[in-house]
Order: sequence, then C-alpha cells, then structure tokens
Amino acid sequence: HVQLQQSGPGLVKPSQTLSLTCVISGDSVSSNSAAWNWIRQSPSRGLEWLGRTYYRSKWFRAYAVSVKSRITINPDTSKNQFSLQLNSVTPEDTAVYYCARGSDGYLGYWGQGTPVTVSS
Amino acid sequence: QSVLTQPPSASGTPGQRVTISCSGSSSNIGSDYVHWFQQLPGLVPKLLIYRNNQRPSGVPDRFSGSKSGTSASLAISGLRSEDEADYYCSAWDNSLSGWVFGGGTKLTVL
Repeated sequence: HVQLQQSGPGLVKPSQTLSLTCVISGDSVSSNSAAWNWIRQSPSRGLEWLGRTYYRSKWFRAYAVSVKSRITINPDTSKNQFSLQLNSVTPEDTAVYYCARGSDGYLGYWGQGTPVTVSS
Repeated sequence: QSVLTQPPSASGTPGQRVTISCSGSSSNIGSDYVHWFQQLPGLVPKLLIYRNNQRPSGVPDRFSGSKSGTSASLAISGLRSEDEADYYCSAWDNSLSGWVFGGGTKLTVL
C-alpha cells in the first residue's frame, strides 16, 4: 500500500523559495514504472500540474510551462523521497500543494496536501 | 482557465441519476484516458474512475464513466447525500506533456 507523506513550511515570504518534501512508503522513488508528481490547487487556478520526476535507466524531469523557469523537482534515493523547490514566489503561488504518484497511466496516490501561503 | 471544461455546478435529489461532462481536445481526451476525482470538503482528491470507466477497489458501482471522442462523462446513480463534493476530470496532454484537469463541478444533493 503506497503512502506519501508531505512536509514543509506553510508560510513563505515573497521572492523567497518554497521547498516541500514528499516521503514515499510502499514504493521506490527509483521505480521503473512510476512517476513522482507535484500538483497544486488554488481557488483562482484550480488543480494545476507542476511537474514530475521519474527513473527509466536514468533520471528524467518534466515541468509545466507556467513554472518552468522557477521549479526544480529532485529525487533523493537515500531517503526514498522527492522534493519541490519553487523560486521567486509571489502571492499567486499561494495554494495547497500535493505530491502524487503516477503509475499505469493515472494519479492513484496523493499526499495529504500542504497549504502554503506566500506573504510577508 | 482550465484545459478541460466542466460545468461549475450540478445538482440532484436523493436517488436520482446525475451526469457531469468534461470536454477536452485531440491532444488530451481525444488521445488518452480520462480519469475522475472526487474531493470532499477539506480533503485530498480521491481517484474515483480511471482509464475512462474503471473503478478502484472500494468505489461503489453507482459511479460510472464513459468517453467519446474528445468528451467524457461521469454518471452517479442512486444519488446520496454523501456524494456532495467537487468532481474533477483529468487526462494526460500529449502536446503539453503533462497532466491537465477540469475546473471542477460542485455537486449539490438537494
């Protein structure tokens, strides 16, 4: 049974970096059949996919165009987790952030969500 | 603006059958599977239907999904008060190379 446990600060100042971590249990971040995603949800933007990382003999990363210049998603095999870094945040980045596993063509498991507010 | 289009609201009375539509394009629904999520107030989106019409274990058969061309539908029969939630459609977009979602439909059980 796959579980995803998120952690990270709930308040970030404008222009700073938002950092979140998602710890995986019941699967491996290095799985050859899964992809590890970050998604956010806000009243103004709805559900928005941010990006993913996955391993297929080497590591791949893919990002949404809307955040491509500011985002990094990294796997950490030693801790079986993956992380999100979003730079130069503005109040528009205020949202609930979710990590999610993509496998067999759908997003079957989600983390518990982390509300993040961007405010000084 | 969401890539997939859903009606913002839907409603029905207990026992009724309601449907929620989801419209996309050839780069998403037209060329890949549609999935549906149910989000109860304050909770995480929960996978309700995957690969157009498959139900995960534990999802009642009152929920069903279908797809035709670049559109899809979620049907809920025998409506119950606990079905009151937001429902989202989702698909992989081959042009954007990422997941896209509908704007969500708020279902009210009258």
